Amino acid sequence: EAGVAQSPRYKIIEKRQSVAFWCNPISGHATLYWYQQILGQGPKLLIQFQNNGVVDDSQLPKDRFSAERLKGVDSTLKIQPAKLEDSAVYLCASSGRTKMNTEAFFGQGTRLTVV
Amino acid sequence: AQSVTQPDIHITVSEGASLELRCNYSYGATPYLFWYVQSPGQGLQLLLKYFSGDTLVQGIKGFEAEFKRSQSSFNLRKPSVHWSDAAEYFCAVGAGRDDKIIFGKGTRLHILP
Repeated sequence: EAGVAQSPRYKIIEKRQSVAFWCNPISGHATLYWYQQILGQGPKLLIQFQNNGVVDDSQLPKDRFSAERLKGVDSTLKIQPAKLEDSAVYLCASSGRTKMNTEAFFGQGTRLTVV
Repeated sequence: AQSVTQPDIHITVSEGASLELRCNYSYGATPYLFWYVQSPGQGLQLLLKYFSGDTLVQGIKGFEAEFKRSQSSFNLRKPSVHWSDAAEYFCAVGAGRDDKIIFGKGTRLHILP
């Protein structure tokens, strides 16, 4: 079974530029999460999708961050414009909907450095 | 809303010694509970999970965890650590109708030779 795929693995941009991350979840997984992990901290949930609908985006800085999940499969997370404090690893995860399969499976993440 | 507390930021143990990492959660009902491990530069790997039933759960790499409802805890244990266990460990709680998964801040485990 293929895992969660993310790209790119690394990205360096200047502040005020824009950037986009892509995620392809495990096939058949209805739930998709985007987390932000700042160095030395735990993952912080930014947004959760159920199929192509948003179920929680309370922690997403909506003035600069946006995310979409067209057709309920792949997802993109965009930052525009980026700030220095956005430097972090952005993790995508997916999970199934059965009670025995509700853990999140994570991708390798995208390390963003804003300079 | 649920929350997770990992009281220890760093833990240092000698190789071969036993290990216990603490995790406390806050949620009104019985949540789903997870422990993940993250090695440097790597993604998060699930060690074990609790949904219901037996409160002592076994995971990969010789880890186990015990759910104690009365203490709102889900501590991770290993009887004898190996140098390769040095990593960051995250406790997480999944709850609510939409199964939102929230992570603790993590505990970094250091192993002394």
